[in-house]
Amino acid sequence: GDSVTQMEGPVTLSEEAFLTINCTYTATGYPSLFWYVQYPGEGLQLLLKATKADDKGSNKGFEATYRKETTSFHLEKGSVQVSDSAVYFCALSDQMNSGYSTLTFGKGTMLLVSP
Amino acid sequence: ETGVTQTPRHLVMGMTNKKSLKCEQHLGHNAMYWYKQSAKKPLELMFVYSLEERVENNSVPSRFSPECPNSSHLFLHLHTLQPEDSALYLCASSQEPGGGENTGELFFGEGSRLTVL
Repeated sequence: GDSVTQMEGPVTLSEEAFLTINCTYTATGYPSLFWYVQYPGEGLQLLLKATKADDKGSNKGFEATYRKETTSFHLEKGSVQVSDSAVYFCALSDQMNSGYSTLTFGKGTMLLVSP
Repeated sequence: ETGVTQTPRHLVMGMTNKKSLKCEQHLGHNAMYWYKQSAKKPLELMFVYSLEERVENNSVPSRFSPECPNSSHLFLHLHTLQPEDSALYLCASSQEPGGGENTGELFFGEGSRLTVL
């Protein structure tokens, strides 16, 4: 079945450091890929997405490129802020079902940014 | 504000209690979901309703009983729970079929934090 593997956390960085959170996946067919973010005490929010190979999703300074050849969707940001501290989830969407979306999530990576 | 509202935000209950979690979406979506989020585990899909019909039930124990009276509301009825059921329960909605820019995107509520004593 489909699966998503992302790096274990927590990732601890100083403000303005470069961020990479690795994500790889296994899936049949051609899934859509997502990064969701969960701030403390809140639900998940969509951060960015890519629906086909070589697409780059971007939002709030974060970027991720859909790499079919390496089955990866790594999240990057050039300069993190304290407010970016949160848990980040990589996910893929199974297109096999009609009528609803089946998202497979990774376990999440906690990011802690210190001033 | 994601357009998906969950109540209560926090719930403490004993193993013999009966309680319900409520979810309401204001986005005009036609599919709604319950997910369970436990510490150090991936999010677990529990139930899916599409056009008010249950279309998926991922081997969830019968002590969890969902209800979807209309496309905007989703409930999770809880009875005789176990301490291991303590978790954050997340509701989500989506517009289906997606396709194109809407492919696979879910909109989540803030969750209901459940503690079973």
